[in-house]
Amino acid sequence: KQEVTQIPAALSVPEGENLVLNCSFTDSAIYNLQWFRQDPGKGLTSLLLIQSSQREQTSGRLNASLDKSSGRSTLYIAASQPGDSATYLCAVRALNYGGSQGNLIFGKGTKLSVKP
Amino acid sequence: KAGVTQTPRYLIKTRGQQVTLSCSPISGHRSVSWYQQTPGQGLQFLFEYFSETQRNKGNFPGRFSGRQFSNSRSEMNVSTLELGDSALYLCASRQRDYETQYFGPGTRLLVL
Repeated sequence: KQEVTQIPAALSVPEGENLVLNCSFTDSAIYNLQWFRQDPGKGLTSLLLIQSSQREQTSGRLNASLDKSSGRSTLYIAASQPGDSATYLCAVRALNYGGSQGNLIFGKGTKLSVKP
Repeated sequence: KAGVTQTPRYLIKTRGQQVTLSCSPISGHRSVSWYQQTPGQGLQFLFEYFSETQRNKGNFPGRFSGRQFSNSRSEMNVSTLELGDSALYLCASRQRDYETQYFGPGTRLLVL
């Protein structure tokens, strides 16, 4: 059974700092991995999607890496800003036997607070 | 394009009642998924519909059901509500299997 873990559960940093959020998963048979952002009481916003054949994806100040063999992904945020304060969720889409897609399995998230 | 919309946004029900939530995906998206989010369990997958067919189902009791219409709009129904069903219910749509999902704002359900 696929399990997704995110460490730390909460993180507080001063503005301008570079930071790394961690995600680990137990089964390397994945279709893709995604990072989302969730603001309080709101839905999720997709940040980056990494296909299983890729090693990393970049968008602006964000860079996500994927190492399937070790079951790890990291989300790197450069030059953090107060507007980056949110909960960041990692999700793995399972790869079913036969190659079909399974459902998205989420970690519990890292709550990030960037202090001005 | 308009984003994923969910109605209603907030709902208060009592135990034993039933509830129907609605989701309108982004135009052109044929896949709709539903999730339940609670502080204790986090985000959990309920089910996914594609072209009116249920494609995947999560580990929830039969009280949770859904359907998708020919215009890709989807509804989720929960019968015989329990206190533990209080949660934020999120709907998401996508156009192609290898693409990301776009989430709606959610329906917050409170069961008293």
